[in-house]
Amino acid sequence: SSEVTQDPAVSVALGQTVTITCQGDSFRSYYASWYQQKPGQAPLLVIFGANNRPSGIPDRFSGSQSGNTASLIITGAQAEDEADYYCCSRDSSGNRGVFGGGTKLTVL
Amino acid sequence: QVQLEESGGGVVQPGRSLRLSCAASGFTFSRSAVHWVRQAPGKGLEWVGVISYDGSNKYYGGSVRGRFRISRDNSKNTLYLQMNSLRVEDTAIYYCARDWDSSSPTWAFDIWGQGTMVTVSS
Repeated sequence: SSEVTQDPAVSVALGQTVTITCQGDSFRSYYASWYQQKPGQAPLLVIFGANNRPSGIPDRFSGSQSGNTASLIITGAQAEDEADYYCCSRDSSGNRGVFGGGTKLTVL
Repeated sequence: QVQLEESGGGVVQPGRSLRLSCAASGFTFSRSAVHWVRQAPGKGLEWVGVISYDGSNKYYGGSVRGRFRISRDNSKNTLYLQMNSLRVEDTAIYYCARDWDSSSPTWAFDIWGQGTMVTVSS
C-alpha cells in the first residue's frame, strides 16, 4: 500500500514534548521527511533522512522511525511551533512521492 | 540567495491547458532534481511529479499521469509543468521544490517556491 496516515490534530502544552506520527508500509523501506506549514506560507523542511535537520531548524525537532511508523518529536514545544505538519515518503515503486494527510498541532 | 519562484498560474476553463514555470537562482540548478507539489484550497499537500537533474527521468502522481508533463531547461535555470486536460479538481496552489540530494531524488524537499495559484473553473 502507498497510503500514509496521520492523526488530523494533536495538542501539546507549552514547553512539553509532543510526538506526531505517520503510518504506512513505505516507512519499512524509505525514510520520511517532515514539513511544517504555517497559514499562507510554503512548507518548510524540518527533518529528513535518519534524523537530519536543515540549517536553521531548532534542535528541539527530531525524528525517528521504526517498522511502519515515522515520528516527528518536538521536545519543549514553543508557541511558534503551532502549525500543520506533513510527512512524506515514497510509494512501493520507489519512484513516486506520497504525503500524509497532515496534522494540525495546537500549542496550549 | 537560494530560491525558487513559480509563475504562470491563473484561471482556466476545464479541458484547457496551462504551463507553469519555476525559475531557480542561487544554486546549481543543473545538479538538482526538482519536484512539483500542489495543495488544493484548505487541503493537504499532494506530490505531483519529479524530474531528475538532467531531465532523463520523470515520474508522476497517479492523479496527473498522462495529463501533466514536467520538463526543464538547465540553460535557463527553469522548470516547467505543462498541464493539459485540466479538471476542476486540479485547482490548487502549485509549488516547485528542490530535492535536497543532488545525486538522486530522495523526496526530501529543502527549498520551496512561494507557489502559484491555478483555478480551473467554467
